[in-house]
Amino acid sequence: EAGVTQFPSHSVIEKGQTVTLRCDPISGHDNLYWYRRVMGKEIKFLLHFVKESKQDESGMPNNRFLAERTGGTYSTLKVQPAELEDSGVYFCASSGGRSYEQYFGPGTRLTVT
Amino acid sequence: SQQGEEDPQALSIQEGENATMNCSYKTSINNLQWYRQNSGRGLVHLILIRSNEREKHSGRLRVTLDTSKKSSSLLITASRAADTASYFCATELTGGGNKLTFGTGTQLKVEL
Repeated sequence: EAGVTQFPSHSVIEKGQTVTLRCDPISGHDNLYWYRRVMGKEIKFLLHFVKESKQDESGMPNNRFLAERTGGTYSTLKVQPAELEDSGVYFCASSGGRSYEQYFGPGTRLTVT
Repeated sequence: SQQGEEDPQALSIQEGENATMNCSYKTSINNLQWYRQNSGRGLVHLILIRSNEREKHSGRLRVTLDTSKKSSSLLITASRAADTASYFCATELTGGGNKLTFGTGTQLKVEL
């Protein structure tokens, strides 16, 4: 069974540009989560999808961040326009069935210069 | 302070020794999960313990949970160099949905 995959693994962009991160959850997992770790700080929750619906987006920092999960499969996280403080590692996780365990992808390292 | 705080922040041991990491949290939880992160890699799920459980084992891992003290410990027995990584506890808060709240992590180094 393939795990959670994320693309790209690393992205370097300039302040003011737009970046779109993609996450493919484990097949059949209805729950999809985005987290991020900003340098030197703990991993923080951004939002949670159940299928295509946003269940909880309380962790989204501001309206420069837009997450979508059309069709309830893969998800994208767009940052527009990117700011320096957006630099960090963005993780995606999925869970499914009766299991509460969240399985994480390898993360996308975003560097905003 | 954070919902999840690991102790110690860093731990260095010799191969074959046991490593114990602790996690404290502040509010009521549904479950607590431990993750490992190797340098530059993703998070690997190690073990989940529910709030009504007190101890769980998985291979060389032993996790305890004391809800009265709001703390958990992760014990790795007979450590190996490959266990070198950062270890995080993450809590699913009661009434907080399924989102996880992570601690700051313990950096474990196992030397040959």
